[in-house]
Amino acid sequence: KNQVEQSPQSLIILEGKNCTLQCNYTVSPFSNLRWYKQDTGRGPVSLTIMTFSENTKSNGRYTATLDADTKQSSLHITASQLSDSASYICVVTPNTGGFKTIFGAGTRLFVKA
Amino acid sequence: EAGVVQSPRYKIIEKKQPVAFWCNPISGHNTLYWYLQNLGQGPELLIRYENEEAVDDSQLPKDRFSAERLKGVDSTLKIQPAELGDSAVYLCASSLGQDPSYEQYFGPGTRLTVT
Repeated sequence: KNQVEQSPQSLIILEGKNCTLQCNYTVSPFSNLRWYKQDTGRGPVSLTIMTFSENTKSNGRYTATLDADTKQSSLHITASQLSDSASYICVVTPNTGGFKTIFGAGTRLFVKA
Repeated sequence: EAGVVQSPRYKIIEKKQPVAFWCNPISGHNTLYWYLQNLGQGPELLIRYENEEAVDDSQLPKDRFSAERLKGVDSTLKIQPAELGDSAVYLCASSLGQDPSYEQYFGPGTRLTVT
């Protein structure tokens, strides 16, 4: 069964610190892997997208990496800000089966002043 | 450009009552999705439309849930009768097409509470 597992479930950091969120997946082959940010009470918003042949993608202070051999992706947030408090969801779209996207449960990040 | 619009934002109903959610996708987006999101979980697909055709409704509980997308634009999702376990956020998303390279744009969701 295709799965996307994220860790940690939740994380608390101080403003200005860096953090890394993890995503392990079993989906193979896949078309792309996205990281979404979901603020409380809002819908998810795409941060980065990577195909299976890419190993890094940046969007401002957000940098996603992909290791296709170990089937792991990470999202690194640099110099965190209070506005980074949100859920971060890893999403993998298989290359088969009608391209049905598979969502992870997300990591809930809390940035404290 | 307006994003995906959903209404209502919040709904509280008693169990066994019917409820309906409405979604207006981004103009020009052919593909429309309805997702269910429980607290602390990622979205789960309920149904996907390509224009007015439901191309994937395998996860839609058809005994109580129904959806339509007349004219291939706006969509409604209905639950009748609602159960306590239906309490969740219902997200609508749209994309240019079903190609996985197209980003899905999400609406703010409708938070349903069934008492």
